[in-house]
Amino acid sequence: DVKVTQSSRYLVKRTGEKVFLECVQDMDHENMFWYRQDPGLGLRLIYFSYDVKMKEKGDIPEGYSVSREKKERFSLILESASTNQTSMYLCASSFFGQGKGQPQHFGDGTRLSIL
Amino acid sequence: AQRVTQPEKLLSVFKGAPVELKCNYSYSGSPELFWYVQYSRQRLQLLLRHISRESIKGFTADLNKGETSFHLKKPFAQEEDSAMYYCAPLGGGGNKLTFGTGTQLKVEL
Repeated sequence: DVKVTQSSRYLVKRTGEKVFLECVQDMDHENMFWYRQDPGLGLRLIYFSYDVKMKEKGDIPEGYSVSREKKERFSLILESASTNQTSMYLCASSFFGQGKGQPQHFGDGTRLSIL
Repeated sequence: AQRVTQPEKLLSVFKGAPVELKCNYSYSGSPELFWYVQYSRQRLQLLLRHISRESIKGFTADLNKGETSFHLKKPFAQEEDSAMYYCAPLGGGGNKLTFGTGTQLKVEL
């Protein structure tokens, strides 16, 4: 069974702090994704990566960066946290589809509060 | 850019009643669509995908290219179906999904 593990379920940080959210998957998936989930807005893609050291911006990348140094690990970085980044953050992974869609597997999420 | 619309934020039905969760998309080309579900205190998980043409937990979804819809249906709702449902077309390279805003289904006894 696919396991996507996010390092923290709950996190509280202060404005201006640099925040790291970690995600690890154990299925050798090429693709990894970071979303934020907000009521009434659904899931919005922040960044994704289709290979080690590769990254692409999603729909709302402003204020975020990512790092993928190893295939199994994908980190989301809030360079200088702001209150509007308080949200639920979801990590997901999938195989590369080669023209055919592959389902994404999600972690439990990290509920981040910026005070 | 592709868009997906789930017009209902909340859908409340009685147990045993039919359920239809609406999803409309705008996409150029041949879309591939998924439904994801999130039960209370559980992680988001795949419910079904249109290319599989299968029924999962009694749910089915038919892709209607003419109406650009991918509505999720179940003939008889069960209490355990209460959850948040997201429609998600695939596209944009790298297996990117575009999620709708979600519909909260509440099945009442």
